[in-house]
Amino acid sequence: GAVVSQHPSWVICKSGTSVKIECRSLDFQATTMFWYRQFPKQSLMLMATSNEGSKATYEQGVEKDKFLINHASLTLSTLTVTSAHPEDSSFYICSARSAGGADEQFFGPGTRLTVL
Amino acid sequence: DAKTTQPPSMDCAEGRAANLPCNHSTISGNEYVYWYRQIHSQGPQYIIHGLKNNETNEMASLIITEDRKSSTLILPHATLRDTAVYYCIVRVRRNSGNTPLVFGKGTRLSVIA
Repeated sequence: GAVVSQHPSWVICKSGTSVKIECRSLDFQATTMFWYRQFPKQSLMLMATSNEGSKATYEQGVEKDKFLINHASLTLSTLTVTSAHPEDSSFYICSARSAGGADEQFFGPGTRLTVL
Repeated sequence: DAKTTQPPSMDCAEGRAANLPCNHSTISGNEYVYWYRQIHSQGPQYIIHGLKNNETNEMASLIITEDRKSSTLILPHATLRDTAVYYCIVRVRRNSGNTPLVFGKGTRLSVIA
């Protein structure tokens, strides 16, 4: 089956620093990738949708200058949390959709970000 | 996409069948029912999906009522590893485009030894 990886699986950083999270589709090409955020005991909330080679589309209330998304290739998307603050601490999950036209979304294992 | 309603939590004894209900009374004719689950601190995992016929795979069975206004996910022999949050999602099956899965609150299933 299709595999999506994320790196790192967890990260701890100081307030004010930037953190980059990578999302890779390992055995398929992903024209579209989605980034979700999940706070404790809550459901997944969509942050943004990115298409390879174009700018990401952000959901209402998500600051595009704070959460930089780059989808430079069909197998890699990155999310950079700039000037992170403790309220950005969360579980970040990426999801990829195959370029082959299938409707399935495949999810990565998530990245736990803790900002001190 | 149609809205779904699921109970917030359920318990199930290990080895017994777990039956997770989902109401989707406003479902449209071209909308599918998808089930995903999320084990603690992991990404969601696809389980099964269906349109109107009952479906079965190695993980679960999906029973959709004739009027399609509700469905039940059945885990035939629940194990402790099936403890997770189960999400029922209704959406149009798309061959292209950028429409992502939208998650509700799901049902927290606890399998008890």
